Amino acid sequence: DTGVSQNPRHKITKRGQNVTFRCDPISEHNRLYWYRQTLGQGPEFLTYFQNEAQLEKSRLLSDRFSAERPKGSFSTLEIQRTEQGDSAMYLCASSRDRFRGRKDGYTFGSGTRLTVV
Amino acid sequence: TQLLEQSPQFLSIQEGENLTVYCNSSSVFSSLQWYRQEPGEGPVLLVTVVTGGEVKKLKRLTFQFGDARKDSSLHITAAQPGDTGLYLCAGAREYGNKLVFGAGTILRVKS
Repeated sequence: DTGVSQNPRHKITKRGQNVTFRCDPISEHNRLYWYRQTLGQGPEFLTYFQNEAQLEKSRLLSDRFSAERPKGSFSTLEIQRTEQGDSAMYLCASSRDRFRGRKDGYTFGSGTRLTVV
Repeated sequence: TQLLEQSPQFLSIQEGENLTVYCNSSSVFSSLQWYRQEPGEGPVLLVTVVTGGEVKKLKRLTFQFGDARKDSSLHITAAQPGDTGLYLCAGAREYGNKLVFGAGTILRVKS
């Protein structure tokens, strides 16, 4: 397994456009998380899934944001009618639902850097 | 709301010096993780601690989880320029739940 993969790495879009990001988690991980990170801050939780079920959504996630994990494998995060304030690094992570051993943990992808102009 | 406070926010030291980064909360976490992040990349997991009072050593890095599972520390011995980066602590109320992150400590090691 090559880890958590995110595409695209970078996205520049005009204000008002829709964008979609993809995340491919580690195959044996049944939990998948989306975070947003702005410069100088730690990642902020957006939402997470157990297989295809969305378990929790942050209040940060406005109506313009939607996430899916249709078959319990990859996930997409869509932002509609983008605003300049949406500019950030969007991070995806995956994990098991139980701690299995000393090397276990949440594994992050390299992120998608979104710039809204 | 669970909050994790990290200190210091920024640390600039010379190669060979030792340092400690702290992560404190008023909440109890069942697991706590430390990550290192480089600019433009995602956080990379360093360690997961799950037992109160646990101490883990990874080469020059030593991690402690407080007895009450509310705080943690990361100690680096003989820092090297390659240790430069953003160090993040993150806790979960239960492993497999969302992580709450601290704001991070920016470490710069000068040669």
